[in-house]
Amino acid sequence: GAVVSQHPSRVICKSGTSVKIECRSLDFQATTMFWYRQFPKKSLMLMATSNEGSKATYEQGVEKDKFLINHASLTLSTLTVTSAHPEDSSFYICSANGQLNTEAFFGQGTRLTVV
Amino acid sequence: DAKTTQPPSMDCAEGRAANLPCNHSTISGNEYVYWYRQIHSQGPQYIIHGLKNNETNEMASLIITEDRKSSTLILPHATLRDTAVYYCIVRSGANNLFFGTGTRLTVIP
Repeated sequence: GAVVSQHPSRVICKSGTSVKIECRSLDFQATTMFWYRQFPKKSLMLMATSNEGSKATYEQGVEKDKFLINHASLTLSTLTVTSAHPEDSSFYICSANGQLNTEAFFGQGTRLTVV
Repeated sequence: DAKTTQPPSMDCAEGRAANLPCNHSTISGNEYVYWYRQIHSQGPQYIIHGLKNNETNEMASLIITEDRKSSTLILPHATLRDTAVYYCIVRSGANNLFFGTGTRLTVIP
């Protein structure tokens, strides 16, 4: 199946700094990517839909200035957590639709810890 | 997208078939049934999907009732590596996947 690569897999940062997470579709072009957040022992929650060449669509309650999404090419979307705080610590996961749009493939996830 | 209902947890003996049920009584005609699983601290892994016919691949079988209001994912010979949270999701088109709470399957030696 198609491969989605997410980087980094784990990051620790200090409060107030910004962290960028990359999501790449390795062997296909993805016009749409999705960003999810997952707290311990909870399910995935959609944060935003990232569309290539246009502004991302954020879910209710997700601050767009806090979680900056850029989808500048058909194979790369980035999520930047700006001015990170300890409450931003979480597991962030991206996904991309396959070329037939019938399947969604997920990255490995990024565990962010803000200290 | 329609919501799904799954039991919160199930156990299965290693080597036996694991049958994971899912109710999706409000599914609409253009919505597919998808199954994903998530092993601890990893991204979800696609398993199988279907519209109305039963489907089988190298990982599992998907049985969808005739009225499409429920389905069952079957892992024919469960192994310890199949221990994970299994998510049943209904989805139309290329929309995002809405994850419910899933079923935590524990395969017991």
